[in-house]
Amino acid sequence: AQTVTQSQPEMSVQEAETVTLSCTYDTSESDYYLFWYKQPPSRQMILVIRQEAYKQQNATENRFSVNFQKAAKSFSLKISDSQLGDAAMYFCAYRSAGGSNYKLTFGKGTLLTVNP
Amino acid sequence: DVKVTQSSRYLVKRTGEKVFLECVQDMDHENMFWYRQDPGLGLRLIYFSYDVKMKEKGDIPEGYSVSREKKERFSLILESASTNQTSMYLCASIGGTVYGRGYTFGSGTRLTVV
Repeated sequence: AQTVTQSQPEMSVQEAETVTLSCTYDTSESDYYLFWYKQPPSRQMILVIRQEAYKQQNATENRFSVNFQKAAKSFSLKISDSQLGDAAMYFCAYRSAGGSNYKLTFGKGTLLTVNP
Repeated sequence: DVKVTQSSRYLVKRTGEKVFLECVQDMDHENMFWYRQDPGLGLRLIYFSYDVKMKEKGDIPEGYSVSREKKERFSLILESASTNQTSMYLCASIGGTVYGRGYTFGSGTRLTVV
């Protein structure tokens, strides 16, 4: 079974600074998807960024980028120019690309605080 | 955009009650999921369904059942609510041509069992 580990229960960053959230995962599969979700106080889970394992290029979405290290099974999220609205719980998630059940396995989350 | 709607944002029930949590999606998605979210534990999969009347157990199905009579609706049932089922419940769906994009989530139901 796949596992996802987020080793930082809480992180904080100053507004306009850069922060990196860590995620590692364990799998024996070669093809899969990785995701970062954001959950603000409104509780609505929002997809921040995704990465296909077969793609070597790291995904980027505006101020959000990932550092995907497949051999190390590492998938960190970098938030540049942090804004107050980035304050939220962030979850890393894994999904197999094969099969048909589309289950997501989540880490335990990292609570990000952004200080003005 | 796909919408996933959970019928209640907050719910308070008594121990032993039968509780229904409803989830409806409007984009004809085949796959629907119920997760439970607890502090320090992240999201854990309770049940999922890949088609009408089809269901599979997730990682923590004990004390729960589900129903999917129509494609758009996936109900989570607590047969006899207990205080350890006090939690946030999240519904999600995925389907069509967007499987690689991950789920669309509802906004959650915070259930308190007293």
